[in-house]
Amino acid sequence: QSALTQPASVSGSPGQSITISCTGTSSDVGVYNYVSWYQQDPGKAPKLMIYNVSNRPSGVSNRFSGSKSGNTASLTISGLQAEDEADYYCASYTTSTSYVFGTGTKVTVL
Amino acid sequence: EVQLVEAGGGSVQPGESLRLSCTVSGFTITNSWMHWVRQAPGQGLVWVSRINKDGSTTTYVDSVKGRFTISRDNARNTVYLQMNSLRVEDTAVYYCAHMRPGEPWFDPWGQGTRVIVSS
Repeated sequence: QSALTQPASVSGSPGQSITISCTGTSSDVGVYNYVSWYQQDPGKAPKLMIYNVSNRPSGVSNRFSGSKSGNTASLTISGLQAEDEADYYCASYTTSTSYVFGTGTKVTVL
Repeated sequence: EVQLVEAGGGSVQPGESLRLSCTVSGFTITNSWMHWVRQAPGQGLVWVSRINKDGSTTTYVDSVKGRFTISRDNARNTVYLQMNSLRVEDTAVYYCAHMRPGEPWFDPWGQGTRVIVSS
C-alpha cells in the first residue's frame, strides 16, 4: 500500500488561507469518505483535526476545514496563525482493510 | 484523564525481539479497535497493525507480516506488539492509537515509545 501523496511543504503569512492536498487512489481516498487529518508538533503525538473528510472534533478551531473530490482530499486552514505551524498528515481506510497515511506536509507561518 | 501510555521500547541488534505495550486509562478499550503506527526518524507516519475488540481479527502492513504480532488483554486495558526478527528499518517511534467501533479515525494517541535497531 503506497502512502497518500501530500506536498512536502506549504507556507503562508498570518491571516492567509492555505490548502494541503492529499492524493490517493480508487482503493482508498476515492472509494471511502473515511479521510482524517492529524496535526503533529515536533516530538509530540499526532492530534486529530478532521474526521470523515470534513468533520471537526470538539475543541478543534473552525479555521480548519476538510473536503474531498475524487481521489484527492484537502485540508484548508483559514486565518493562519503562528500556532498552526506543524506537520500535517492525512489518513484513509483502504479496500485492503488496512489504513494508509499521507507523506506529510510541513506548514510554515511566514 | 484519558491516557495511552506505551512502554517497552529500547535499543536492540538486528534479529532480536522486543515487546511493546500500550496501557490505556480513563476509558475502557473493550469494544474498540486498537492500532500501532510508527514514525522513523525524520519521516512520516506509517500504519503498522490493528486488532479488533476481542483479538479475533488482526491486520498488518506488508513489511511486518510474519514478524510482528499484535494482541490485547482487555482485563488489563492493554494492547501489545510483539516484534521479532527486528531489522534496522524498524527503527522508529511506535505510537498506539485508539479507534471507536464504526469511527475510522485515530483518537486519542499515546506519546510513543522509541525503538532503535542497530548493530
